[in-house]
Amino acid sequence: DAKTTQPNSMESNEEEPVHLPCNHSTISGTDYIHWYRQLPSQGPEYVIHGLTSNVNNRMASLAIAEDRKSSTLILHRATLRDAAVYYCILRLRSARQLTFGSGTQLTVLP
Amino acid sequence: NAGVTQTPKFRILKIGQSMTLQCTQDMNHNYMYWYRQDPGMGLKLIYYSVGAGITDKGEVPNGYNVSRSTTEDFPLRLELAAPSQTSVYFCASSYSRDSGEAFFGQGTRLTVV
Repeated sequence: DAKTTQPNSMESNEEEPVHLPCNHSTISGTDYIHWYRQLPSQGPEYVIHGLTSNVNNRMASLAIAEDRKSSTLILHRATLRDAAVYYCILRLRSARQLTFGSGTQLTVLP
Repeated sequence: NAGVTQTPKFRILKIGQSMTLQCTQDMNHNYMYWYRQDPGMGLKLIYYSVGAGITDKGEVPNGYNVSRSTTEDFPLRLELAAPSQTSVYFCASSYSRDSGEAFFGQGTRLTVV
């Protein structure tokens, strides 16, 4: 399986944009890029996913590099509630499994 | 909709005891998953199922068993509890492998003493 690399931790100020990076240099053409987040003491929740084009939804935006070897999750205005561990996951279109890595712990400062 | 429901929320087991962690979903999802999460770590896949009657091993299946007799339910069985199985267990479901979104339960915190 292709692997992802994320920073262990990041900090952001409240109401400022946050850019969470993810490297996936061994990504294949059929790998989707998924992002989940896990708030303290809760199960993970889906954030966004994409294949080649940038994606937007009500929670965040996903910017995918042209060579697809990296991507960035963008939270446009961080709130205290966005403090969580963010997981970047590659998922083959044919894969039955959803495999998590270690993620980035995002701290939002008031 | 209730989504994915796990019971119990907390449990303390003695070494060698057995128990079943229950997971049910009301979204008619084909795919279901069981994960464990040790303190400060990411999630590891234990077992998964792509439909009723079909199950397969994930990364860390030893010490666990599953069954999938209905679309809604995916129980996880611990036969002989060991301290190494102390963890938080999450169940999840999704429509299919092509679906972007998996839904997770709130977790079962298990302690084996």
